[in-house]
Amino acid sequence: QKEVEQNSGPLSVPEGAIASLNCTYSDRGSQSFFWYRQYSGKSPELIMFIYSNGDKEDGRFTAQLNKASQYVSLLIRDSQPSDSATYLCAVIRAGNMLTFGGGTRLMVKP
Amino acid sequence: EAQVTQNPRYLITVTGKKLTVTCSQNMNHEYMSWYRQDPGLGLRQIYYSMNVEVTDKGDVPEGYKVSRKEKRNFPLILESPSPNQTSLYFCASSPTSSGREQYFGPGTRLTVL
Repeated sequence: QKEVEQNSGPLSVPEGAIASLNCTYSDRGSQSFFWYRQYSGKSPELIMFIYSNGDKEDGRFTAQLNKASQYVSLLIRDSQPSDSATYLCAVIRAGNMLTFGGGTRLMVKP
Repeated sequence: EAQVTQNPRYLITVTGKKLTVTCSQNMNHEYMSWYRQDPGLGLRQIYYSMNVEVTDKGDVPEGYKVSRKEKRNFPLILESPSPNQTSLYFCASSPTSSGREQYFGPGTRLTVL
């Protein structure tokens, strides 16, 4: 079982819709959770982080964390074609090691 | 401008020829790390450093060395590169020693023939 799992996609949504990206993790001791966006040929860019159970909103992005279910998600409201990218879920495990999921490719169609 | 820089951005080399990829950050960050990204395997951590003179192995440290003599620099050394080290390499830094909120450099594409 991988430490951090994501559906590779592609996830295709129409412009203006809500995109929902999901991630599960295996280490119950994980405390910090991150979402990175990576455009093709570019470096990962941090877009959201969440440390406590519940929701965290930042503009069109909402991160949701459920530690009991070991599940973290990212919602993108009013999706735009410029949101088309690969979204990487990352978790800090014991020992301060950041572990990434394989990423979900999102395609927003005009 | 706050940034993480890497050099070179592209490198083609041959098996066994020692090389160093430099990484520098101008944000006074405590934590620095190196990753490699491969198709189908995602981003994997090679080494990380929580402070000067403190380094630790990540998930895939074999064949790599690092050093942290100054806070701003964290070079990645391949003493004897092999073709299976052909990859896209990223350096990252974080303002916290725990490695939260890491910010990535532009990447170095390495090909080992």
